[in-house]
Amino acid sequence: AQSVTQPDIHITVSEGASLELRCNYSYGATPYLFWYVQSPGQGLQLLLKYFSGDTLVQGIKGFEAEFKRSQSSFNLRKPSVHWSDAAEYFCAVGFKAAGNKLTFGGGTRVLVKP
Amino acid sequence: ETGVTQTPRHLVMGMTNKKSLKCEQHLGHNAMYWYKQSAKKPLELMFVYSLEERVENNSVPSRFSPECPNSSHLFLHLHTLQPEDSALYLCASSHRTGNTIYFGEGSWLTVV
Repeated sequence: AQSVTQPDIHITVSEGASLELRCNYSYGATPYLFWYVQSPGQGLQLLLKYFSGDTLVQGIKGFEAEFKRSQSSFNLRKPSVHWSDAAEYFCAVGFKAAGNKLTFGGGTRVLVKP
Repeated sequence: ETGVTQTPRHLVMGMTNKKSLKCEQHLGHNAMYWYKQSAKKPLELMFVYSLEERVENNSVPSRFSPECPNSSHLFLHLHTLQPEDSALYLCASSHRTGNTIYFGEGSWLTVV
């Protein structure tokens, strides 16, 4: 069965420091990959997505993610975190044969220290 | 700001009540979804509608009843819910043949 793993439940980072959130997936086919962010009390906002092509994708709010097929990973990065980046981040995976059904990871909650 | 609008944002209901959640999308999409987000659990896909036809029912109890009258509107009718149904219910939409799903702000449901 397909699965998505976000190994880190919580991450605390200082404002201005770099951030990397991990995402690993288990799929037989070439996946579509997404990162969403959820601020407290809000819905999910799409940060970025990967379908094909360049394995390094740029998203909104200064985030980027890199698809590594050999590692079945799609890690999210930001060079310098702002206090407003405190939120929960979800990795999601879909694949063509499943239409638009996404499988989500459990999420990583990011806390930003002043 | 989101192209998917959900109402109400917060709802408290008793176990014997009947209520409905409403979702409206302004993105020109033709597929809509209901997801459930509970504490400490991954997002769960509940229902999928494509061109107003239900194409997915992910083993959801019958006390949840979806309705999609047109491609812009989606409802989730609730009756005789249980306290464990308390959660954030997220509506989403996409193009039927597209790959990107856009979410609303969610409706917080508390069953007392």
